[in-house]
Amino acid sequence: DIVMTQSPLSLPVTPGEPASISCRSSQSLLNINGYNYVDWYVQKPGQPPQLLIYLGSDRASGVPDRFSGSGSGTEFTLRISRVEAEDVGVYYCMQALQTPYTFGQGTKLEIK
Amino acid sequence: QVQLVQSGPEVKKPGASVKISCRASGYTFNDYYIHWVRQAPGQGLEWLGVINPSGGRTEFAHKFQGRLTMTSETSTTTVYMELTSLTSDDRAMYYCARASTGHLFWGPGSLVTVSS
Repeated sequence: DIVMTQSPLSLPVTPGEPASISCRSSQSLLNINGYNYVDWYVQKPGQPPQLLIYLGSDRASGVPDRFSGSGSGTEFTLRISRVEAEDVGVYYCMQALQTPYTFGQGTKLEIK
Repeated sequence: QVQLVQSGPEVKKPGASVKISCRASGYTFNDYYIHWVRQAPGQGLEWLGVINPSGGRTEFAHKFQGRLTMTSETSTTTVYMELTSLTSDDRAMYYCARASTGHLFWGPGSLVTVSS
């Protein structure tokens, strides 16, 4: 199984400041089609995860452009250019290259 | 718009089985795989398995093989997940999720409580 390792696990951020979360996979997530099969989700209390970024860097519909995804192979990053209060939640990376799909441990973003 | 509606909360005794439904609408049912993921209270996300509604082919995580079943019903655009021999470790929110272009669209979840 592919192991996904996120860091940090806790991320206190001042509103208006940037934030970034790293995700490392135990094997390359780069498909032969040229796409990296990694997604980023945010889960807010009492809700299912919501898609932010798919295929490594494609922003999902309706996601603010302050969210961006980058990376390739085994190293990926989610960046928030200017954190807002509504960004509080737990952020997960997930690999969708092969089953079993696997998730990072989650990064809890909180506002300072 | 795409919608996944899941069945309501369940309370089961240890050793029992639970069957959860996930009714899909807003898209061509047979064109998209449905995955199941669970989340124990305060914990992370755990993939259980996947079903191809077209034909019913399934694949499960190793730890659930033997006690997990997934079925699909095209006439009602509904997918079912059944987990047997429940223990307290199976207490969790169970999500169905539609797969598309390497990402998931999640249902609201079904809470399963296992208690004697």
